[in-house]
Amino acid sequence: AQKVTQAQTEISVVEKEDVTLDCVYETRDTTYYLFWYKQPPSGELVFLIRRNSFDEQNEISGRYSWNFQKSTSSFNFTITASQVVDSAVYFCALSDDQTGANNLFFGTGTRLTVIP
Amino acid sequence: DAGVTQSPTHLIKTRGQQVTLRCSPKSGHDTVSWYQQALGQGPQFIFQYYEEEERQRGNFPDRFSGHQFPNYSSELNVNALLLGDSALYLCASSNWGGGTYGYTFGSGTRLTVV
Repeated sequence: AQKVTQAQTEISVVEKEDVTLDCVYETRDTTYYLFWYKQPPSGELVFLIRRNSFDEQNEISGRYSWNFQKSTSSFNFTITASQVVDSAVYFCALSDDQTGANNLFFGTGTRLTVIP
Repeated sequence: DAGVTQSPTHLIKTRGQQVTLRCSPKSGHDTVSWYQQALGQGPQFIFQYYEEEERQRGNFPDRFSGHQFPNYSSELNVNALLLGDSALYLCASSNWGGGTYGYTFGSGTRLTVV
């Protein structure tokens, strides 16, 4: 069965520090998709990135960057120069044939608090 | 362009009662999925509707049922509420065949069962 592990339950950093959120996944499928979502206090899940299993290129989007390593089954997320607005719960998620490819299997989330 | 709309935003019910939650998908989307998010946990997939039929279901009992209407909006019904059903219920819309690409979530309905 698939599994998504976010070992960091809560992280606190001071504004402008860099922070990395870890995600380790398990799947038996060779084709799968990995995601990161942000959940602010308002509740909606905000899509950040989707990466397929054949694309191991790291990606940078502004202050956000993602490191996908199939060899260690990890898909880590780094926020550079963190800001108070980054405070939220961040979820890593997986979609594969076991999920039916039409829905997401989420980790338990990491609550990030950025202190001004 | 309106995103996913869910109603009500908050709800308090008594154990044993029944509840109906509603979701209007993003314009242009035809598929609706429902997720349950217990406090401190990640969302868990309940089921997915397309063309007014349940297409996929997660590991939830039959007390959880749904419906999709011709305008693609959807309802989630929960019968015989238990205290453990207290959670944030999230609706996500997408296009059938697109998988999870373009998945858009609503802000959810927070259900409290007392």
